[in-house]
Amino acid sequence: QKEVEQDPGPLSVPEGAIVSLNCTYSNSAFQYFMWYRQYSRKGPELLMYTYSSGNKEDGRFTAQVDKSSKYISLFIRDSQPSDSATYLCAMSVNTGNQFYFGTGTSLTVIP
Amino acid sequence: GAVVSQHPSWVICKSGTSVKIECRSLDFQATTMFWYRQFPKQSLMLMATSNEGSKATYEQGVEKDKFLINHASLTLSTLTVTSAHPEDSSFYICSPGPGREAFFGQGTRLTVV
Repeated sequence: QKEVEQDPGPLSVPEGAIVSLNCTYSNSAFQYFMWYRQYSRKGPELLMYTYSSGNKEDGRFTAQVDKSSKYISLFIRDSQPSDSATYLCAMSVNTGNQFYFGTGTSLTVIP
Repeated sequence: GAVVSQHPSWVICKSGTSVKIECRSLDFQATTMFWYRQFPKQSLMLMATSNEGSKATYEQGVEKDKFLINHASLTLSTLTVTSAHPEDSSFYICSPGPGREAFFGQGTRLTVV
């Protein structure tokens, strides 16, 4: 079983839609949860960084962590064509430890 | 803003040659650097962890004689792919730690022909 599971998509939505991206994981020791956006041929760009359970909001992005279900989500409100990218979830047991990544979900926002 | 600078951003090399990738921490001292590899449509996978002043630790299945890591200073970690082959073509990326693991270098797209 992979440490982190993520639906690779592709996901295609119209501009303005709400996008929901999800990951599940198996290691209950994970405490740090990250979402990255990666454009083609570029390095991942950190979007959200969450510790333990709960919600975190930053502009149009909301990250949710449900440790009891081992499930994390990223919501994008009012999606824009510029949001078209691959979104990676990642998690870690502690700072200083390696990250475990999902495979990434390819998102296209259609104007 | 960027905390680590990685270069080259892309490189094409002939099979059998060696390629060096550099990651520099910009305004802090990095005692650790994580090196990842990402094949198309796959996750980033940790290859090795470099530690300033000591030997790197490699993940299972990663050949340490093929992927040479040097972390000679607190601002520079290098990954050298020796005797590269087409199957080494991938996206290589570094991330500093501890505390800054959330940030990544720009990545290096290596194509071996």
